[in-house]
Amino acid sequence: QKEVEQNSGPLSVPEGAIASLNCTYSDRGSQSFFWYRQYSGKSPELIMFIYSNGDKEDGRFTAQLNKASQYVSLLIRDSQPSDSATYLCAVLFQGAQKLVFGQGTRLTINP
Amino acid sequence: ETGVTQTPRHLVMGMTNKKSLKCEQHLGHNAMYWYKQSAKKPLELMFVYSLEERVENNSVPSRFSPECPNSSHLFLHLHTLQPEDSALYLCASSQDWASGTYNEQFFGPGTRLTVL
Repeated sequence: QKEVEQNSGPLSVPEGAIASLNCTYSDRGSQSFFWYRQYSGKSPELIMFIYSNGDKEDGRFTAQLNKASQYVSLLIRDSQPSDSATYLCAVLFQGAQKLVFGQGTRLTINP
Repeated sequence: ETGVTQTPRHLVMGMTNKKSLKCEQHLGHNAMYWYKQSAKKPLELMFVYSLEERVENNSVPSRFSPECPNSSHLFLHLHTLQPEDSALYLCASSQDWASGTYNEQFFGPGTRLTVL
């Protein structure tokens, strides 16, 4: 089983719609979860982090966490072409004290 | 200069060459990281330095040799690499490295390495 698993995509969403990105993880003890955005040819940049079960909203972005299901997601409302990028889910694994990344989901917003 | 910088941005080397990648952070952070990013694969953590001491060596082959002379600089020395080592090498830094605490990692622009 992969430690952090994401659908690699590509995921295509029309402009203005909601983009939904999903991630599952294997370490049940993990407490910290992050979403990074990586534009083509660029380095990853942090856009959201979440520690508690439930939803966390920041502008057009909402992170959702369900520790019982070991599942974290990112919703992007009112999707814009500038949101087209690869989104990386990262989980801070407690025992190993390291940030483990998923392979990323490539998102394309179609005008 | 601000943030995390890396040089060179692109590097092409033969299998017998020796080269070094350089990373510098201007954020006053105490932890620095080397990651490898290959196509279609997750970011792979290679090394972690906290307060200039190596705290993580993630089963990386010895042909990769890190060096952290101070908290602002991190090097990755390369020798006798293989074509499968071709990848984007990313440096990152965070305020601290500690279990159970959130520390945002700031990434540099990366070095695109091609091994012929």
